[in-house]
Amino acid sequence: AQKVTQAQTEISVVEKEDVTLDCVYETRDTTYYLFWYKQPPSGELVFLIRRNSFDEQNEISGRYSWNFQKSTSSFNFTITASQVVDSAVYFCALGLTNSGGSNYKLTFGKGTLLTVNP
Amino acid sequence: EPEVTQTPSHQVTQMGQEVILRCVPISNHLYFYWYRQILGQKVEFLVSFYNNEISEKSEIFDDQFSVERPDGSNFTLKIRSTKLEDSAMYFCASRWSEQFFGPGTRLTVL
Repeated sequence: AQKVTQAQTEISVVEKEDVTLDCVYETRDTTYYLFWYKQPPSGELVFLIRRNSFDEQNEISGRYSWNFQKSTSSFNFTITASQVVDSAVYFCALGLTNSGGSNYKLTFGKGTLLTVNP
Repeated sequence: EPEVTQTPSHQVTQMGQEVILRCVPISNHLYFYWYRQILGQKVEFLVSFYNNEISEKSEIFDDQFSVERPDGSNFTLKIRSTKLEDSAMYFCASRWSEQFFGPGTRLTVL
């Protein structure tokens, strides 16, 4: 069965600190996708990144970076020089394809509430 | 930038009533989804829809739920007889490659 664990329920940092959000996933599938979504206080879900299981290259996008390690089934997310606007709930999600391989559904973790204080 | 839209933003209903939640996916997307998030909990998959039929559904998506794409643009979720535990935020998503989510409809069942 598939599962996503975000062990950190809440994190509080002061602006300009770096912060890493942890994500550990479980699946027996060899082909899968990993995602991060941001849910600000307004409630919408904002797509941040997708990674497929064959691509372990780390990725950087501005202040955001992601570290995918298949050996530990982890897909961690780091925000460098955090800002107050980064305050949100961050969800890690696992995408498993259906038997036809053309579609996937998302299994979400419970989310990490990040509060960045000025 | 194209986006998924959902109406209404908030729906209040009495237990046992039928509700229809509406979504307009991004126009060139082929796959459509409904998820729900009970307050303070994680987002849960309900159903996916492709080529005018359900391609996958979760255990939550029982006979009380149905989905439809009545025309070329709308995608609806119907709950036939609402229960208190159906109170949640319901998110529609559509995708070409990534799943993009709408802003959600908050359903409150009294």
